[in-house]
Amino acid sequence: SQTIHQWPATLVQPVGSPLSLECTVEGTSNPNLYWYRQAAGRGLQLLFYSVGIGQISSEVPQNLSASRPQDRQFILSSKKLLLSDSGFYLCAWSVGRNSNQPQHFGDGTRLSIL
Amino acid sequence: SQQGEEDPQALSIQEGENATMNCSYKTSINNLQWYRQNSGRGLVHLILIRSNEREKHSGRLRVTLDTSKKSSSLLITASRAADTASYFCATDGMGTSGSRLTFGEGTQLTVNP
Repeated sequence: SQTIHQWPATLVQPVGSPLSLECTVEGTSNPNLYWYRQAAGRGLQLLFYSVGIGQISSEVPQNLSASRPQDRQFILSSKKLLLSDSGFYLCAWSVGRNSNQPQHFGDGTRLSIL
Repeated sequence: SQQGEEDPQALSIQEGENATMNCSYKTSINNLQWYRQNSGRGLVHLILIRSNEREKHSGRLRVTLDTSKKSSSLLITASRAADTASYFCATDGMGTSGSRLTFGEGTQLTVNP
């Protein structure tokens, strides 16, 4: 069966520090991968999505970047964190190149910037 | 702008009652999905309804879709305390590539025992 792992579960970082969040998927090949951010009590904002190794699409201009060094690995990074980067970060995967498939989510990373 | 908007923002009911949540969207879609999120956790897919479908059932869940009104509803029958969660609709816009979804702001459902 397919599983998705996201870590760490919580992270407290000072302003200006770097960030690296990792997400890995097991049990499937060539998944679509997604990074979302969720503010408290709000919906999900799509940050990045990838349909293959090295293929990253950015949805909103921001202080973050994403990379996909391997088929089932998706990394969210920042060189210098801002206070506004605080939030709940969710990774997800789906299969296929059309939209009639569900997305499967990890349990998220709660990021607090001090 | 958000494609899906849920209504109400919050709903509190007693165990055994039915819960109805609504979602409105703005542009034409291929399909609409509903997800559930327990506090502090990731989202879990509940049900997908295609644009050519009007109603779909899964256990205690019933989803309707009215493409002429650009709206959908999620009905949970005989609710349980364990149904307490946030519920989100998500849509894909026609013409978008891949399987990108736009999520609404969610409805926070509280089921009191």
